[in-house]
Amino acid sequence: EPEVTQTPSHQVTQMGQEVILRCVPISNHLYFYWYRQILGQKVEFLVSFYNNEISEKSEIFDDQFSVERPDGSNFTLKIRSTKLEDSAMYFCASSVERESREVEKLFFGSGTQLSVL
Amino acid sequence: KNEVEQSPQNLTAQEGEFITINCSYSVGISALHWLQQHPGGGIVSLFMLSSGKKKHGRLIATINIQEKHSSLHITASHPRDSAVYICAVMNYGGSQGNLIFGKGTKLSVKP
Repeated sequence: EPEVTQTPSHQVTQMGQEVILRCVPISNHLYFYWYRQILGQKVEFLVSFYNNEISEKSEIFDDQFSVERPDGSNFTLKIRSTKLEDSAMYFCASSVERESREVEKLFFGSGTQLSVL
Repeated sequence: KNEVEQSPQNLTAQEGEFITINCSYSVGISALHWLQQHPGGGIVSLFMLSSGKKKHGRLIATINIQEKHSSLHITASHPRDSAVYICAVMNYGGSQGNLIFGKGTKLSVKP
């Protein structure tokens, strides 16, 4: 079965540094998403991306965050100046096949654990 | 107040038991997802429902839109079903993937 891949699996950074989390969504999907899960808490929506632009973002997704699809395969989340509270597991997901355009379910990557020291 | 409430928070069952996990929500929705989060953290989507019932193997998901309630059932449970099961709703009028998540139900199935 096709899968969403995320790299790296773990990222350790110093507070104030920029980080880029990378994702390769399923190739024929149209919608891409980022979510985060702080340890012990529920998953939270960050942003959805469609047709090369943000379609919706949450209050968490402030000016420190940005997303990009630099080529036909990668989908990245950048945090400009990391804070301690950005420490979390970040999940990428994709959905909606180009051919069917029907939303059936989301396909998640295995996550990137970000630790900000 | 949480917009998505799951019960129970924790559930321990013996292998072979029939399991029910409940989800209630307070907002208008266009769809509801059931997700499985493995001990290692990975998330797998089990179902997306907008009405009625879906079945896949030993898993059955139902939704009652009028009552704003969904249930996930596992028949003949097995230790490999041990995971956190998460209910997530898509707000009516929201974009794809803009989900409100429940806190999850941690299921442990003992052999």
